[in-house]
Amino acid sequence: AQSVAQPEDQVNVAEGNPLTVKCTYSVSGNPYLFWYVQYPNRGLQFLLKYITGDNLVKGSYGFEAEFNKSQTSFHLKKPSALVSDSALYFCAVRDGNQGGKLIFGQGTELSVKP
Amino acid sequence: NAGVMQNPRHLVRRRGQEARLRCSPVKGHSHVYWYRQLPEEGLKFMVYLQKENIIDESGMPKERFSAEFPKEGPSILRIQQVVRGDSAAYFCASSLSTGQGEQYFGPGTRLTVT
Repeated sequence: AQSVAQPEDQVNVAEGNPLTVKCTYSVSGNPYLFWYVQYPNRGLQFLLKYITGDNLVKGSYGFEAEFNKSQTSFHLKKPSALVSDSALYFCAVRDGNQGGKLIFGQGTELSVKP
Repeated sequence: NAGVMQNPRHLVRRRGQEARLRCSPVKGHSHVYWYRQLPEEGLKFMVYLQKENIIDESGMPKERFSAEFPKEGPSILRIQQVVRGDSAAYFCASSLSTGQGEQYFGPGTRLTVT
């Protein structure tokens, strides 16, 4: 069965500091991995994805994520956090051998303080 | 470019009534997905449709819920005889294919059952 774990309900970071939001996954086939961000009362916005190739993927708004196959992780990172990055972040996985549905983690609330 | 559109944005129904949620995918996208987000939880997959066909309904409750994506017009998620536990945010997403592409999400419909 496919699953995603985001071990931290909340991450607090000072503005200008680096941030990491953790994600681990379990999937039987090839993992297709995604990060989305959700602002209050809004839908999800796509940030970045890993399908194949370089383990470090770069996405929108200066975010990047590193795919680690041995640790089955796909942590989201940003070198310097902004207050405007404060939002709810979701990691999701899809089995590349199967079409369709995304399996989401529970979400991590990121709070960036000035 | 118009993104995924959902209406209504907010819907209030009394117990026992029917709720109809509409989703217009990104122009040119023929794959539609419905997800449900309960309070304080992540998104849970409900159903995946491709024009006129249900491809995967493994996340859909067996009773009272149905979905369609007709040849013309929006995708509809229908909930009959709503109960309080159906109160949630329902998100629609669309994609161009089920290959390596990401899913684009709409703003959601927030259903409240009184």
